[in-house]
Amino acid sequence: DSGVTQTPKHLITATGQRVTLRCSPRSGDLSVYWYQQSLDQGLQFLIQYYNGEERAKGNILERFSAQQFPDLHSELNLSSLELGDSALYFCASSPDSGANVLTFGAGSRLTVL
Amino acid sequence: ILNVEQSPQSLHVQEGDSTNFTCSFPSSNFYALHWYRWETAKSPEALFVMTLNGDEKKKGRISATLNTKEGYSYLYIKGSQPEDSATYLCASIQGAQKLVFGQGTRLTINP
Repeated sequence: DSGVTQTPKHLITATGQRVTLRCSPRSGDLSVYWYQQSLDQGLQFLIQYYNGEERAKGNILERFSAQQFPDLHSELNLSSLELGDSALYFCASSPDSGANVLTFGAGSRLTVL
Repeated sequence: ILNVEQSPQSLHVQEGDSTNFTCSFPSSNFYALHWYRWETAKSPEALFVMTLNGDEKKKGRISATLNTKEGYSYLYIKGSQPEDSATYLCASIQGAQKLVFGQGTRLTINP
């Protein structure tokens, strides 16, 4: 157990639907990162939050949004889902903004049918 | 170099041999370089964070070097073992902004 908790582990839904992925960072970590791994692709950076504020943004689609709450957990909302959104979504946390290593959660596998 | 690039994409090594692979990253406004080990069906696990030019880090049989002026880092594995089979990821931060990962080097150790 890395200390980073992601729920749900698996999710199957239909095109056009909306889902929310949840991440609880490791105790004491202020930064939360979201990454997407599609089939045979590497880790694509989506977005980073630090202590509740958006810190950096990657190639995150407009249909996707995220936030970090006062208790530091984060949610990634994916709407108007398309088949191509099927992927493994990783959350990672770190104490700060990048000088320290990231601790990854186990990932949430999203399948859009 | 505009992105983080890793080479080779994949590598097959005989058990007991030593190997190394490369991570290239933008040298301007460098902040930190991370190395991760990612086994199939698991999450990436951190190996090293390096920040200073000339840094060398070691963890058991795995070591890494960093050249921030020319924008590259090498990861070395000495005496490869089957359990070293994994994808090795590097990630770079420029100007304390987003942590961008390379595509990884997939290492397979043949017994």
